[in-house]
Amino acid sequence: QQQVKQSPQSLIVQKGGIPIINCAYENTAFDYFPWYQQFPGKGPALLIAIRPDVSEKKEGRFTISFNKSAKQFSLHIMDSQPGDSATYFCAASRSGNTPLVFGKGTRLSVIA
Amino acid sequence: DGGITQSPKYLFRKEGQNVTLSCEQNLNHDAMYWYRQDPGQGLRLIYYSQIVNDFQKGDIAEGYSVSREKKESFPLTVTSAQKNPTAFYLCASTPGQINTEAFFGQGTRLTVV
Repeated sequence: QQQVKQSPQSLIVQKGGIPIINCAYENTAFDYFPWYQQFPGKGPALLIAIRPDVSEKKEGRFTISFNKSAKQFSLHIMDSQPGDSATYFCAASRSGNTPLVFGKGTRLSVIA
Repeated sequence: DGGITQSPKYLFRKEGQNVTLSCEQNLNHDAMYWYRQDPGQGLRLIYYSQIVNDFQKGDIAEGYSVSREKKESFPLTVTSAQKNPTAFYLCASTPGQINTEAFFGQGTRLTVV
């Protein structure tokens, strides 16, 4: 049973567009929701993370929107650039230093 | 520089052989993790360790073994019992506090030949 469902699987946007990646979770005990960015052949790196006490968090061009009642959260990338082309993973975990549970990833291509 | 070092970057294994993937961290992190990445499958947890000399199975532990004799090191052995070992393996660590950033190594790509 997949605990974190991510969509879409792949996404192509024009430079300057706003790609949106969505995730839904099932376990209401989750209280930490990070997004990771991964380039080919590299390990994932933390992009931005949110906790359920806020509904939105912005860091630069990246925004997480969080809907606790719907058990959904999403990543928005403002003014997307070709350098943003990568695979993005949402994840979730619960308190107690438990392992992250990952979505299956979204491959984003930003074309000029 | 602090970080997680995985070695080797590429590894080729003959069928029936055991191989060990190295993961070393100098971040003084308490917890370490092994994930397996396959195309379209995301990252799936193999094993994790929250303290030295203790570790727990993840979702896909069959055919793998680990040890945690030192805080800095968490090697993963892919045994001959793992039926489909070809994948990208990622090691990660967290400080041991509540839900803080997981740092990843650069991965080891294992191919069975």
